[in-house]
Amino acid sequence: AQTVTQSQPEMSVQEAETVTLSCTYDTSESDYYLFWYKQPPSRQMILVIRQEAYKQQNATENRFSVNFQKAAKSFSLKISDSQLGDAAMYFCAYRSGQVNAGNNRKLIWGLGTSLAVNP
Amino acid sequence: DSGVTQTPKHLITATGQRVTLRCSPRSGDLSVYWYQQSLDQGLQFLIQYYNGEERAKGNILERFSAQQFPDLHSELNLSSLELGDSALYFCASSVSDARADTQYFGPGTRLTVL
Repeated sequence: AQTVTQSQPEMSVQEAETVTLSCTYDTSESDYYLFWYKQPPSRQMILVIRQEAYKQQNATENRFSVNFQKAAKSFSLKISDSQLGDAAMYFCAYRSGQVNAGNNRKLIWGLGTSLAVNP
Repeated sequence: DSGVTQTPKHLITATGQRVTLRCSPRSGDLSVYWYQQSLDQGLQFLIQYYNGEERAKGNILERFSAQQFPDLHSELNLSSLELGDSALYFCASSVSDARADTQYFGPGTRLTVL
């Protein structure tokens, strides 16, 4: 079974600085997708970025980028020029890309990293 | 705003009761997913429907059931509620059931069982 591990329960960063959140996963599959979701105090779950395992190029969305290391099964999120609005819980999630697995569309979640942004 | 709507936002009820949570997917989305977020277990997948049919089941209790209607909205029914059922229940939707689909989440329903 696949698992997702976020080893940093809490992190903090100064406004305008850069922070990296860690995520590792365990899978025997070669076809899968990885996601970072943000959950601010409003509790809304917001997609930040996604990465296809078959793509070697790291995904980027504005100030958010990932470092995807497939062999190491690592998927870290870098937030550049941190803003106060980035303060939230960040979840790493895995989804299988296999066609015939029974539960292949479910997201498997890490426990999250709480990010504080200091002014 | 993801385009996924969930009602109600908050629900407070007593043990032993039954409640229904409602989800309307984004316009055009055929798949609906239900997740439970609790303090002790984190985020857990409950069930997925695709175009009215159950597609996948996760850690969903027998006391819980769900369905997706012809207009594609979905309802999650929770019965014989226990204190441990208190959680945030998310609905997500995606365009189809394709491998490349991204799931977009609603604002959630916070259930408190007293």
